[in-house]
Amino acid sequence: QTVVTQEPSLTVSPGGTVTLTCASSTGAVTSGYYPNWFQQKPGQAPRALIYSTNNRHSWTPARFSGSLFGGKAALTLSGVQPEDEADYYCLLYYSGAWVFGGGTKLTVL
Amino acid sequence: EVQLVESGGGLVQPGGSLTLSCAASGFTFSYYSMHWVRQAPGKGLEYVSGISSNGGTTSYANSVTGRFTISRDNSKNTLYLQMGSLRAEDMAVYYCARGRSGSDGKAFDYWGQGTLVTVSS
Repeated sequence: QTVVTQEPSLTVSPGGTVTLTCASSTGAVTSGYYPNWFQQKPGQAPRALIYSTNNRHSWTPARFSGSLFGGKAALTLSGVQPEDEADYYCLLYYSGAWVFGGGTKLTVL
Repeated sequence: EVQLVESGGGLVQPGGSLTLSCAASGFTFSYYSMHWVRQAPGKGLEYVSGISSNGGTTSYANSVTGRFTISRDNSKNTLYLQMGSLRAEDMAVYYCARGRSGSDGKAFDYWGQGTLVTVSS
């Protein structure tokens, strides 16, 4: 069974920078896994942020960026705002099947 | 404006069945793959099932294979999820999401607000 792993929680100060990662139990994450990233706030549906590693949706603020680093997919938030406090999920593609990571709870403090 | 509206959730007994619907509007439904994602209370997101734009290809999570069936009616702009042999662990908010695939890769972009399925006797 494929497992996608994210940091359970991270804390960042307002205005700071933080990187969330997404690892696969099958090995290094590559662009072929089409990493997607989502933000979810309490009581709300998920909102798409990044697709196919590093592409922003039209509504995604420029402070969110995606990349591959050290064999993992990564989501970097630069100039963090208080409203960025949320749960973040990555999603990876495995030849016809998709698997979510367990999510990272980001606290802005 | 793209809209996805789920319906059909509710209370069902263990072993029972339920069919969810997702009504799509604001885009050409038949051009896009569609997916179901669920979230158990207080837990993370779990991919459930997906279907290609013409309905010819489907995929399922291991946890629902053989019990759930995804389908779509492109003439009605509606996605379905037939759920059978429901278990307590199937209790969750079920979201539908639009998928797209192109030269810039694969994306899940728009999501509905979800419908709650409660499995309890």
